[in-house]
Amino acid sequence: AQTVTQSQPEMSVQEAETVTLSCTYDTSESDYYLFWYKQPPSRQMILVIRQEAYKQQNATENRFSVNFQKAAKSFSLKISDSQLGDAAMYFCAYAWEGGSEKLVFGKGTKLTVNP
Amino acid sequence: KAGVTQTPRYLIKTRGQQVTLSCSPISGHRSVSWYQQTPGQGLQFLFEYFSETQRNKGNFPGRFSGRQFSNSRSEMNVSTLELGDSALYLCASSPPNREEQYFGPGTRLTVT
Repeated sequence: AQTVTQSQPEMSVQEAETVTLSCTYDTSESDYYLFWYKQPPSRQMILVIRQEAYKQQNATENRFSVNFQKAAKSFSLKISDSQLGDAAMYFCAYAWEGGSEKLVFGKGTKLTVNP
Repeated sequence: KAGVTQTPRYLIKTRGQQVTLSCSPISGHRSVSWYQQTPGQGLQFLFEYFSETQRNKGNFPGRFSGRQFSNSRSEMNVSTLELGDSALYLCASSPPNREEQYFGPGTRLTVT
């Protein structure tokens, strides 16, 4: 079964600085998708960034970028120029087209942004 | 385009009762999935519906059921509620031929 591990339950960063959240996953599949979701205190899950495993180029979305290491099964999220609004729970998630679960989530990392 | 909507947003039920939660996906999305989120277990997949058919099911007891209508709207039902069913229930929909999911605001269920 596929599993997703986020080893950092909590992280903090100073406003305007950069922070990296870690995620590793376990799968025997070669074609899959990886996502980072953000869940602020409002509880609305927001898609931050997606990565297709067949693409070698790391995905970027404005201040958010990933470091995808397929061989190491690692998928970290870098947030640059952190803003107060980035404070939230961040979930790493895995999806495989033939999987029995639509999305497999990690336990999450709580990010605090200090002014 | 309107996002995923869920009703009701908050619900308080008594142990032994049953509850029905509703979800309307983004227009054009035919896949709807349900998740349970609790502090202890995190986010757990309940089931996925596509074109009115259950396509996948997570490891939950038969008290948890769902259905999807021809307009892609979905309902989730929990019968014989237990205290442990208290959770945030999230609904998500997917665009055609895409794996990412877009979530609704959730329904907070409290069982007393």
